[in-house]
Amino acid sequence: QVQLVQSGAEVKKPGASVKVSCKASGYTFSSYAVHWVRQAPGQRLEWMGWINAGNGNTKYSQKFQGKVTITRDTSANTAYMEVSSLRSEDTAVYYCARFWPLGTAFDIWGQGTMVSVSS
Amino acid sequence: DIQMTQSPSSLSASVGDRVTITCRASQSISNYLNWYQQKPGKAPKLLIYAASSLQSGVPSRFSGSGSGTDFTLTISSLQPEDFATYYCQQSYRTFGPGTKVDIK
Repeated sequence: QVQLVQSGAEVKKPGASVKVSCKASGYTFSSYAVHWVRQAPGQRLEWMGWINAGNGNTKYSQKFQGKVTITRDTSANTAYMEVSSLRSEDTAVYYCARFWPLGTAFDIWGQGTMVSVSS
Repeated sequence: DIQMTQSPSSLSASVGDRVTITCRASQSISNYLNWYQQKPGKAPKLLIYAASSLQSGVPSRFSGSGSGTDFTLTISSLQPEDFATYYCQQSYRTFGPGTKVDIK
């Protein structure tokens, strides 16, 4: 079945970086964009950016420009999202999601990856 | 950036009730409005796309309407499994703050 499976929970110290993976299966990976969304505890969903899995082009929310890097490996059907210079405010669940162009919506979501930042 | 607001922020309703949630955009977004349901500890689930189109597999008790700046999500007869938080989203970008639905 069509699914996105993310890497496991991470605990990091302030100033470190974290890289979360999102492995696609059940569909042609390069035919769809992958977006990243984060949700801090008790907060709303926050769009971070996306990657065209076919050509690798990226676009970031202004808030995350320079803070987040999204990449992909087509041979592994996997997208990655790296957050640098972690602060406690980056503690959140990070989701990847497949963008469905017909509906202009996210039709498939990963299960989420909890990233905790603490000294 | 376009801002999204939702009302109410939370509500309590009984099984069988009709529930309506409102989402407003700070400027016209045509029909580029999606609705998601999120249960605790789970990823969001797409319910409605393009303001009024029901995603495949979603029960018909869910419906959406609106265009421009004002949108609504309606649950025609609330079921126990509908306990969740509902988010609107402008296109692929900004999400609303969410509406938490509690079952009385």
